[in-house]
Amino acid sequence: DGGITQSPKYLFRKEGQNVTLSCEQNLNHDAMYWYRQDPGQGLRLIYYSQIVNDFQKGDIAEGYSVSREKKESFPLTVTSAQKNPTAFYLCASSMRGADQPQHFGDGTRLSIL
Amino acid sequence: GQQVMQIPQYQHVQEGEDFTTYCNSSTTLSNIQWYKQRPGGHPVFLIQLVKSGEVKKQKRLTFQFGEAKKNSSLHITATQTTDVGTYFCAGRGTNAGKSTFGDGTTLTVKP
Repeated sequence: DGGITQSPKYLFRKEGQNVTLSCEQNLNHDAMYWYRQDPGQGLRLIYYSQIVNDFQKGDIAEGYSVSREKKESFPLTVTSAQKNPTAFYLCASSMRGADQPQHFGDGTRLSIL
Repeated sequence: GQQVMQIPQYQHVQEGEDFTTYCNSSTTLSNIQWYKQRPGGHPVFLIQLVKSGEVKKQKRLTFQFGEAKKNSSLHITATQTTDVGTYFCAGRGTNAGKSTFGDGTTLTVKP
C-alpha cells in the first residue's frame, strides 16, 4: 500500500542486538498496528496504538517495544529478549474505530545472523 | 481470548474449479473482514460483513456471514491463476476492542 512505508525491507540481527523497524504512514490514520507472520502462519498482533502517545500490548508483546510520538510513525523495536525474532513483520494502519479496515505496508523480513 | 479458526489451511485446485474457505469463531462477532495476501506480498482488504446472514459479491467472489454471526465463508467460482494467495478472515468479538486474524487458507491454482 503506497500510503504505508516500512523500512528496511530486509534486516539482519546479531545475537543480543536490539533492532528497530520503521513504519510511516501518510494516510492520516489514527490507529496503527504491528503484526508478526511466520511461514505458513497467520498474523499475530504484537502491539497496537489507537492514538498518539498511547499503545496497547497485543497477543505476543514479550520481547518487543514500541513508541507512538507522532501520528504518522509507529516504530517497533525487537529486543534481545525476543529469543526467536526471525519472521516477517507487517505494519498496518486504519481510521479510528475497532471495525475499520486495515491498510498494510510491504513488510520487513528479519533474520538472525 | 477470542479465537478465529480457518479451514482448510491449504487448498490446491485446477483452474476453473471452485474454492471455498471457512472461518469459525468461538464467540459472536460484531463483524468479519476478509483479506487477500499474494505470495511475497502484504494483506489487502477485500470486504467487511456486519449483518447476520449477509451475503456480498465481488465478481467471482461470494462472501457470507452466518445467521448466528459466528462463522463466515468466502467462495470463489471458477478459479483463475490470479486467485492464488492466502485468504485471511479477521473477526471482532462483540466485547473485544480489536479484531483477531485467522491463520489463513492458502490457495494454489494449477493451470
